[in-house]
Amino acid sequence: KQEVTQIPAALSVPEGENLVLNCSFTDSAIYNLQWFRQDPGKGLTSLLLIQSSQREQTSGRLNASLDKSSGRSTLYIAASQPGDSATYLCAASFSGGYNKLIFGAGTRLAVHP
Amino acid sequence: DVKVTQSSRYLVKRTGEKVFLECVQDMDHENMFWYRQDPGLGLRLIYFSYDVKMKEKGDIPEGYSVSREKKERFSLILESASTNQTSMYLCASSGWESSYEQYFGPGTRLTVT
Repeated sequence: KQEVTQIPAALSVPEGENLVLNCSFTDSAIYNLQWFRQDPGKGLTSLLLIQSSQREQTSGRLNASLDKSSGRSTLYIAASQPGDSATYLCAASFSGGYNKLIFGAGTRLAVHP
Repeated sequence: DVKVTQSSRYLVKRTGEKVFLECVQDMDHENMFWYRQDPGLGLRLIYFSYDVKMKEKGDIPEGYSVSREKKERFSLILESASTNQTSMYLCASSGWESSYEQYFGPGTRLTVT
């Protein structure tokens, strides 16, 4: 069964800290991996997409990496700010899966001033 | 910018009513998805569509049906609403031009009383 797991479930850090969110998946036949941000009561905002042929993607203070052989992805947030407080979701699609995403449970991040 | 819109942000319906949730995307995406999100259960796929008039069941299709008569519009139908269908409903779309990155709408918070 294809599964996506995120660790930790929750994280609280002081402003300015660099942090890493972890995501693992059980099937190496990954097609895409996508990181999302969700604010309370809102929809999901796509942050980064990594295709299976790529190793990492960067957008501003965010960097996401993909290691298919170990079944892991990390989201690195540099110089965290209180506005980064949200739930971060990792989701993977697998070959032959009609591009359906399988979601992790998310990491709830709180950045305090 | 990709835009996915949903017909209502909040909806309150009575048990037994037939409920229509509408989703529209403006990027000519071939794939569209309906998810529900519940605390502790994460995001679960209800139905998806990979072309006009084509649909596939997701993980939890029971009690729901869908319609896709036009490429830009994907409707979720609750045939006879029940209290256990109280949830946040999220629509998404993806297409090959954007490497199947999924884009989400703002969500509809449905309460069935």
